[in-house]
Amino acid sequence: GAGVSQSPSNKVTEKGKDVELRCDPISGHTALYWYRQSLGQGLEFLIYFQGNSAPDKSGLPSDRFSAERTGGSVSTLTIQRTQQEDSAVYLCASSLGGVGGYTFGSGTRLTVV
Amino acid sequence: SQELEQSPQSLIVQEGKNLTINCTSSKTLYGLYWYKQKYGEGLIFLMMLQKGGEEKSHEKITAKLDEKKQQSSLHITASQPSHAGIYLCGADGGQAGTALIFGKGTTLSVSS
Repeated sequence: GAGVSQSPSNKVTEKGKDVELRCDPISGHTALYWYRQSLGQGLEFLIYFQGNSAPDKSGLPSDRFSAERTGGSVSTLTIQRTQQEDSAVYLCASSLGGVGGYTFGSGTRLTVV
Repeated sequence: SQELEQSPQSLIVQEGKNLTINCTSSKTLYGLYWYKQKYGEGLIFLMMLQKGGEEKSHEKITAKLDEKKQQSSLHITASQPSHAGIYLCGADGGQAGTALIFGKGTTLSVSS
């Protein structure tokens, strides 16, 4: 597509439920990144994919968080047993890899009640 | 690990005034990226700087990377309401296979 697409744009879920967030990167972009943005915290790196593999998962905050990428394209970020502190905007970005700017999606605003 | 500190955290300027936002890194910068974010939207790429002393401009926004490559500044001339938003700097630590890290952002408000 023309840009990075994320869905849903908003998600309200009950504490303890699982959620899946989807990211559809720009066609041909081999690198894909997930970040989390909380109020006053800036962008927190979660995970990075190069193709289908994840060389850097260091940012995932707990084992409740996981992500996969299939076919070198769409990625899904899954949060199990959601907690209130998981409430944030989850941003996805893609790039051609190597040096260069990222293109970000508009994000998914997750609210855990 | 590398950290980026942005200053000021927030800024209110009158329309037409100039302003500067700073981004200071705890380590040498190999690539410095400036992004702008409007509320509820993703980040829009503004500029990338790689070489010490490099300066780039886009419309009324100019970004510089200092010679020692540990600080960058973003300067807006004759600010407009359309410049309002959150400005974030992102850094490439120079290691292959790592993602950009970002500062916490500077929130800019422009009063008319």
